[in-house]
Amino acid sequence: DGGITQSPKYLFRKEGQNVTLSCEQNLNHDAMYWYRQDPGQGLRLIYYSQIVNDFQKGDIAEGYSVSREKKESFPLTVTSAQKNPTAFYLCASSPWMQGASYEQYFGPGTRLTVT
Amino acid sequence: GQQLNQSPQSMFIQEGEDVSMNCTSSSIFNTWLWYKQDPGEGPVLLIALYKAGELTSNGRLTAQFGITRKDSFLNISASIPSDVGIYFCAGRQSGYSTLTFGKGTMLLVSP
Repeated sequence: DGGITQSPKYLFRKEGQNVTLSCEQNLNHDAMYWYRQDPGQGLRLIYYSQIVNDFQKGDIAEGYSVSREKKESFPLTVTSAQKNPTAFYLCASSPWMQGASYEQYFGPGTRLTVT
Repeated sequence: GQQLNQSPQSMFIQEGEDVSMNCTSSSIFNTWLWYKQDPGEGPVLLIALYKAGELTSNGRLTAQFGITRKDSFLNISASIPSDVGIYFCAGRQSGYSTLTFGKGTMLLVSP
């Protein structure tokens, strides 16, 4: 079964702690993405990666970090510097052709609550 | 940056009715995608459009890539209760490499 997995589904952390969200895909897609979704809002791009060992900041990268050591994996770390970390986090992947993203496929999401 | 205006924000309809929603921008787009998101889940891709004027169907869903390349439309015919959810449009603006998402249309269907 091809797809994208995110774990865990729910995550609780204390303020001041870093936390890492997992994302794995077996679709053989070159590109992977992290989005943040807040109630009533669209998806906002945090980071994306078109190729292993390379990634780009999205619109709201401050307070987040990523790595892309393997094509299948793109973990996101929410650092203590992120002022409002409580949100629903979505990982996606897509083919990357001619320098651009095409159809993106999403994982089931991780809901992070920081208190 | 890229801006997408999605409307309406929400709709409450009776089962069996047809639904229309749209996404507009002041900029030209060369890709339009429509997604559906159920509560607490990731968005699921419904339809992808790549050419101006293109009309594509997926069951009871039909989407169109506007001829001006600045808008896209999604229609759902004969709605059923499982159509409930949030529908997002997403587009890739000419000259950009990533997608921009609208804020979504929440659809509620009364049996």
